[in-house]
Formats: sequence, structure tokens, C-alpha cells
Amino acid sequence: DSGVTQTPKHLITATGQRVTLRCSPRSGDLSVYWYQQSLDQGLQFLIQYYNGEERAKGNILERFSAQQFPDLHSELNLSSLELGDSALYFCASSVEGQGHGNTIYFGEGSWLTVV
Amino acid sequence: AQSVSQHNHHVILSEAASLELGCNYSYGGTVNLFWYVQYPGQHLQLLLKYFSGDPLVKGIKGFEAEFIKSKFSFNLRKPSVQWSDTAEYFCAVRSARQLTFGSGTQLTVLP
Repeated sequence: DSGVTQTPKHLITATGQRVTLRCSPRSGDLSVYWYQQSLDQGLQFLIQYYNGEERAKGNILERFSAQQFPDLHSELNLSSLELGDSALYFCASSVEGQGHGNTIYFGEGSWLTVV
Repeated sequence: AQSVSQHNHHVILSEAASLELGCNYSYGGTVNLFWYVQYPGQHLQLLLKYFSGDPLVKGIKGFEAEFIKSKFSFNLRKPSVQWSDTAEYFCAVRSARQLTFGSGTQLTVLP
């Protein structure tokens, strides 16, 4: 158990819909990362938040957005869903702020299937 | 921009064979290096990591990796694989605040 909690574990929704994925980081971790793992794209970095502020942005579509709340949990919002958005979405967390060498721990992922 | 290359997309070995998975990265500054493993149907788990010091690092389950700075490489090795090592292996490089993954290597170990 990495200590990173993601919900829901599985989600099936229709095209055009909107979903929210939730992530609770490990206790004490200030940074939250979102990754998308699809069959053809591998593991893609989407976005990182640190203590409530966006810190880095990767290959995140405009239809997707995220935020980190004061209690440090994070949500990834996916809207106008397309079939190609079907993937495993990972959340990860790290301590940050304590030097360069921080390990990032991953949650179990949320399986999103768009039909 | 940093990038990570894993040269082998799919490796098939018999049990007891030796394993070496290649990982090369491009970034000129200080990096931290990781190998993550994803067993079928499970989440990513940290296998081993290199931050500084001895470039030969040992991880869980008998895995080790060697950081060769001059070659920008961090290859993963195991002397004798087991069927239970069947999984996908991801190399990752961290610089500043971003962690970049390679495309992954699927390892299949035949019993």
C-alpha cells in the first residue's frame, strides 16, 4: 500500500459526459501528480500541484482540468469525454520542499472506460 | 526538455535467464533515476532509485541498476528472473520538479 488513495477504481461513462477522479496523497505529501496511461501512449504526465498551486503542466488536454484543495486532496476533471480518453489515470504524491531527491509514490489508478 | 528512452518494448525470457533492460535519458543537469514496475492489473510500484553516491543501486526482489553518468544510462538488471517477474517496467528520470517516464518494457518470463 503506497498510501496514495484514488477513487473511483473503475468508471464507465458515455461519450460527451464529464467525470471527476479523486486523489488523496500520502500523509505529509504536498505534491500531487496526475498521469494518464493508455494502451498506445504509455505513461503520460498530465499535471502537478504543490500545496494548492499548479507547478507543472504536461500533456493535458484543454477538456481536462485539475485542482488541489486546502486539505491537499486533488481532483482531475475530464469533460466532453471521447472514446480515446479511455485509460488508467494515476495519481501520485511526493513530499517536495525537502530537497531534490524525493520519491514519488503512486496510487492504484482509476480505470476510465468511455463507451 | 528531458526525455527517457527504453529501447526494448517487449522482452521474453525463460526462467533463470539473466535480464538487462536498457534506459537512456537526455538531460544535462542533476537527475534522480527510478525504475517502477507494474504487475498485471496492479499499480506502479517503486523497484529502486538512485539519488547520489554509489552508482550501483539495489532494489527489491533481487533487482539492481547501474547509473553510468557518461552514458546517460540507468540499466536494470537481474541475474536470474522468475515467472513472477512478468510485468511492465518503467524507467523514470526526475529533474527539477518533473518526473518523465520511458515508454515501458513488457517483460514476459516463460515457466
